[in-house]
Amino acid sequence: KAGVTQTPRYLIKTRGQQVTLSCSPISGHRSVSWYQQTPGQGLQFLFEYFSETQRNKGNFPGRFSGRQFSNSRSEMNVSTLELGDSALYLCASRLGVAGDTDTQYFGPGTRLTVL
Amino acid sequence: QKEVEQNSGPLSVPEGAIASLNCTYSDRGSQSFFWYRQYSGKSPELIMFIYSNGDKEDGRFTAQLNKASQYVSLLIRDSQPSDSATYLCAVYHQGAQKLVFGQGTRLTINP
Repeated sequence: KAGVTQTPRYLIKTRGQQVTLSCSPISGHRSVSWYQQTPGQGLQFLFEYFSETQRNKGNFPGRFSGRQFSNSRSEMNVSTLELGDSALYLCASRLGVAGDTDTQYFGPGTRLTVL
Repeated sequence: QKEVEQNSGPLSVPEGAIASLNCTYSDRGSQSFFWYRQYSGKSPELIMFIYSNGDKEDGRFTAQLNKASQYVSLLIRDSQPSDSATYLCAVYHQGAQKLVFGQGTRLTINP
């Protein structure tokens, strides 16, 4: 079974621009979560989507948004980029339905650099 | 108090010895506990999960959970240089429905 895939793997943007990141979960997984990882803050939860609905959200400004499609693929958007948004953005998927062990499997991540 | 706390290390262990990684958490309602390994420049990789008090063994890895003390640990037996990585403890908060990570412990196995 294929793992979680994320595109693009690397991205360089300038301040003020916006960016869209994509995540395809493991086949059959209906829940997708997004995390931001930086050396100073570690892994921080952004939001989780299940069946096209945002189920939970972390403490990030409204510039960070996401959505999920009917095939469970998810996108994350960051508008008006700031230097501090430079980070590794990780997507994780889990089953999300009865029998789920809450175990999340991570994709390879998208390395975003804001200049 | 942080929700999930780990000693950031670095923790240095000689090859062949036992590496012991520790984690404490603040939410008593937590039910699911995970250990992930992250190599530099890579994404976290699941090593083990544990739900019940006691020990759970998988090869060279043993996870230990003590809910009364709000403590979870990971033991790595016969440590190998390839075990050198950052180990992340994660706790799933049922109420908040989110996975909370510790800062990670950087482990170095010395040949």
